[in-house]
Amino acid sequence: GAGVSQSPRYKVAKRGQDVALRCDPISGHVSLFWYQQALGQGPEFLTYFQNEAQLDKSGLPSDRFFAERPEGSVSTLKIQRTQQEDSAVYLCASTLALAGPLEQYFGPGTRLTVT
Amino acid sequence: AQKITQTQPGMFVQEKEAVTLDCTYDTSDPSYGLFWYKQPSSGEMIFLIYQGSYDQQNATEGRYSLNFQKARKSANLVISASQLGDSAMYFCAMRGTNTNAGKSTFGDGTTLTVKP
Repeated sequence: GAGVSQSPRYKVAKRGQDVALRCDPISGHVSLFWYQQALGQGPEFLTYFQNEAQLDKSGLPSDRFFAERPEGSVSTLKIQRTQQEDSAVYLCASTLALAGPLEQYFGPGTRLTVT
Repeated sequence: AQKITQTQPGMFVQEKEAVTLDCTYDTSDPSYGLFWYKQPSSGEMIFLIYQGSYDQQNATEGRYSLNFQKARKSANLVISASQLGDSAMYFCAMRGTNTNAGKSTFGDGTTLTVKP
């Protein structure tokens, strides 16, 4: 595909359930980023990968959040035992390389609602 | 640590007029990049313009220009000849090139409404 894709676009989970959110970056993009965007706020950094290596996970809010990118392309963000405060839009972005004046290309996001 | 401040929660502009959206930043990185994104109600983040901290000239992209004042740590977005389709949320963001090379820090955004 031409752009970053994310699935599902919408997810409703009951509190305590585990969820998995998928991101397909632009083909050939080395770096992949996950952000959490609460309603009415700017995106907050969660974690990023360079190829399969997770270089920074400082933004993950708790050990219930886990991200992986085992083959350096598709990434999955997993949230275990979801809580209501996890409700947000989860954005994925990719860039061709890690550094330099390269904008991040964002996917459409996954809107997670925890009931 | 990096910080982005957007002090205008909402802005209104008349169609065809210019508008400036404010952004100030703070960082300890000697080298960094500043970005502006547009987020329409549909939710996608659209890249608008980039300014490098060592760029001598202000960035321009069509109707968008970035008024970069390094000493004041400001990176205001100027939209000329506003169009109804410019109504959206606008985010200022920055990325470092050293210790903060990966993560982007975003402001809380400014909602722009273009009036006909």
